[in-house]
Amino acid sequence: GAVVSQHPSRVICKSGTSVKIECRSLDFQATTMFWYRQFPKQSLMLMATSNEGSKATYEQGVEKDKFLINHASLTLSTLTVTSAHPEDSSFYICSARLDRNNEQFFGPGTRLTVL
Amino acid sequence: AQSVTQLGSHVSVSEGALVLLRCNYSSSVPPYLFWYVQYPNQGLQLLLKYTSAATLVKGINGFEAEFKKSETSFHLTKPSAHMSDAAEYFCAVSKIQGAQKLVFGQGTRLTINP
Repeated sequence: GAVVSQHPSRVICKSGTSVKIECRSLDFQATTMFWYRQFPKQSLMLMATSNEGSKATYEQGVEKDKFLINHASLTLSTLTVTSAHPEDSSFYICSARLDRNNEQFFGPGTRLTVL
Repeated sequence: AQSVTQLGSHVSVSEGALVLLRCNYSSSVPPYLFWYVQYPNQGLQLLLKYTSAATLVKGINGFEAEFKKSETSFHLTKPSAHMSDAAEYFCAVSKIQGAQKLVFGQGTRLTINP
């Protein structure tokens, strides 16, 4: 099956710093990737849709200047949390959509802790 | 707009018993429906999906779900629970056309008692 990886799996950073999370589709090309955020014991909330070669589409209430998304190739999308604060601490999950059948395959997630 | 409601944030069953996780959806257009499973600190794994073909959908690990348009439901069942089924389960809906963004329910934590 299609495999999606995320790096890093876990990151701890100081308040005010920026953190980059990578999402890679390992064995398929993905024109579209999605970024989700999941708070403890809660559901996944879509943050943005990442489109290869174009600007990401952000969901209402998500600050595009704070959560920078770059989808520079068909196998890589990055999410950069800028000037991170403790309230940004969360589990970030990406998914990549297989163009052939539109099925989304999820990465293992990245746990961000901002001190 | 689309939404999903999962009845019961926590379900507990005995090993070998029937598993029933409830999901109701709201959609102004014909939907695609999904069930995902999430183990601790991991991403989501697709269990099964309804994409307007057969209303009874069989998935992995012995799970199945039935799409009932009249009840706007897509409940997940498994005849006999196994200890390894303990996890968080999410129901999700998307549109058939367009970006096909997934809208998730709040999740149901399934606990299996020995």
